[in-house]
Amino acid sequence: SQTIHQWPATLVQPVGSPLSLECTVEGTSNPNLYWYRQAAGRGLQLLFYSVGIGQISSEVPQNLSASRPQDRQFILSSKKLLLSDSGFYLCAWSETDNSPLHFGNGTRLTVT
Amino acid sequence: GNSVTQMEGPVTLSEEAFLTINCTYTATGYPSLFWYVQYPGEGLQLLLKATKADDKGSNKGFEATYRKETTSFHLEKGSVQVSDSAVYFCALSNYGGSQGNLIFGKGTKLSVKP
Repeated sequence: SQTIHQWPATLVQPVGSPLSLECTVEGTSNPNLYWYRQAAGRGLQLLFYSVGIGQISSEVPQNLSASRPQDRQFILSSKKLLLSDSGFYLCAWSETDNSPLHFGNGTRLTVT
Repeated sequence: GNSVTQMEGPVTLSEEAFLTINCTYTATGYPSLFWYVQYPGEGLQLLLKATKADDKGSNKGFEATYRKETTSFHLEKGSVQVSDSAVYFCALSNYGGSQGNLIFGKGTKLSVKP
């Protein structure tokens, strides 16, 4: 069966520090991969999605970037965190554009 | 643009009470509508969906009907249980049913007391 792993579960980082959140999927090949963010008091916002290795689409211009170095690995990064980057980050995958999304358990990021 | 508005929580109910969580949307074209649920400590899971007007999605005793005339997709359950305590998210997709570009509401936290 397919599983999705996302880590770390919680993270506290100072302003200006770098960020790397990792997400891996097992049990499937060539999945669509997604990064969402939920900021306090707001809905989930799609940040990036990828339909294949090295292919990244950005939905919202911001301080973050994403990479897909391997088929089932999706990384969310920042060179210098801002206070406004605090939030709950969720990785998700789907088999195709029309199949259900499967979410990881999320990372709670607090930038201090 | 596209948007989803759902009732603010938290919602606190006693076991076996009737649940309604309101959700309305704004969209061009013919969106697909979804309800996701997030149990404590877990990721989001698809609860139910409807892809066209008058469709009714149902799962685990929950139901929601796609009402185009009122642009609504309210979530209902006749008798809630403690295990239904979770955060519920309404969402829409305007990509012919694609869930890769979902627009989510802010979520409604439900607490069910025994």
